[in-house]
Amino acid sequence: QKEVEQDPGPLSVPEGAIVSLNCTYSNSAFQYFMWYRQYSRKGPELLMYTYSSGNKEDGRFTAQVDKSSKYISLFIRDSQPSDSATYLCAMSENLRGKLIFGQGTELSVKP
Amino acid sequence: GAVVSQHPSRVICKSGTSVKIECRSLDFQATTMFWYRQFPKKSLMLMATSNEGSKATYEQGVEKDKFLINHASLTLSTLTVTSAHPEDSSFYICSAAVLAGAYEQYFGPGTRLTVT
Repeated sequence: QKEVEQDPGPLSVPEGAIVSLNCTYSNSAFQYFMWYRQYSRKGPELLMYTYSSGNKEDGRFTAQVDKSSKYISLFIRDSQPSDSATYLCAMSENLRGKLIFGQGTELSVKP
Repeated sequence: GAVVSQHPSRVICKSGTSVKIECRSLDFQATTMFWYRQFPKKSLMLMATSNEGSKATYEQGVEKDKFLINHASLTLSTLTVTSAHPEDSSFYICSAAVLAGAYEQYFGPGTRLTVT
């Protein structure tokens, strides 16, 4: 079993839809949870960063962490064609621990 | 701020030759840099962690003699793929850690290596 599981998609939604992206993990020691966005042939860029359980909102993006279920989510409201990218979850045990990435979910938002 | 560059962005080399990839933090000093490898539609796999002035720490299964990492300064790390083979063809991405309380890695744009 992989430490971090993420459905690779592809996921296609119409513009304006609410998008839900998810990851599950097996290591209960993970404390730091990140979501990265990666455009084709580019490096990942950090979208959201959450410590432990709870919700965090930033504009149209909301990150949720449920440590009891070992499940994290990223919601994108009012999705735009410019949101089309691959979204990778990543997590680590401590502030200086290595990041373990999910496989990434390819998202396409159609105008 | 927190910009990381990589050079070259794309390189094609012949089997048996060596290729050097540079990773630079442009507007901050990075004590720690990381090198990842990413296959198409696959996750980023950490290859090694590099601290300025010391030897890199390689992940299990990564050949240190094949993937030479040098972190000579707080703004530059290099990855040299020695005696490259077609199976080394991949997307190589570096990241740099900003040491200022919260830990974040800022990623470079990646280098596409093709070995013919």
